[in-house]
Amino acid sequence: DSGVTQTPKHLITATGQRVTLRCSPRSGDLSVYWYQQSLDQGLQFLIQYYNGEERAKGNILERFSAQQFPDLHSELNLSSLELGDSALYFCASSVGVNSPLHFGNGTRLTVT
Amino acid sequence: GQSLEQPSEVTAVEGAIVQINCTYQTSGFYGLSWYQQHDGGAPTFLSYNALDGLEETGRFSSFLSRSDSYGYLLLQELQMKDSASYFCAALLTGGGNKLTFGTGTQLKVEL
Repeated sequence: DSGVTQTPKHLITATGQRVTLRCSPRSGDLSVYWYQQSLDQGLQFLIQYYNGEERAKGNILERFSAQQFPDLHSELNLSSLELGDSALYFCASSVGVNSPLHFGNGTRLTVT
Repeated sequence: GQSLEQPSEVTAVEGAIVQINCTYQTSGFYGLSWYQQHDGGAPTFLSYNALDGLEETGRFSSFLSRSDSYGYLLLQELQMKDSASYFCAALLTGGGNKLTFGTGTQLKVEL
């Protein structure tokens, strides 16, 4: 168990809808990262937060947004969902810049 | 752009040694990490190289050559449970901690 908690584990929704994915980092970790993994694909970096502030951005679509709250949990919001958004969404946390990432078990999103 | 290339698949027998290569083209390179992922599971950290040379952690070793933009993961005494996907990941500097993952290598360990 990595100590990173992601909810929900599975999410099935229709095209055009909006969903929110939630992540609680390991105790003591200030950085939170979001990654998208499509079927048989690598991990695509979406966004990173550190202690509530956005620190780095990857190829995150404009339909996607995220935030990190004062208690350090993070939410990833996906709107106007398309079939191609179906993927595993992982949250990870780390203590510092050069520290290993600890991944949650992911949220499997299916858009129908 | 940033890219990390790995072989898509490697097959080896139990007890053998296997090497998974990673070549990268990135700007602002800081170091190279390796992660293991079993089917649909969470990636788990294996090793990190900030400096050139070999890092050893039990049955796993990782190597980095900055001048060649190349690294590898060496797995010894292969076990069936080592069957998984292995990703190299480059830590990039310049605004946050952007860990960019490679394409991944599916390792199959056979009896």
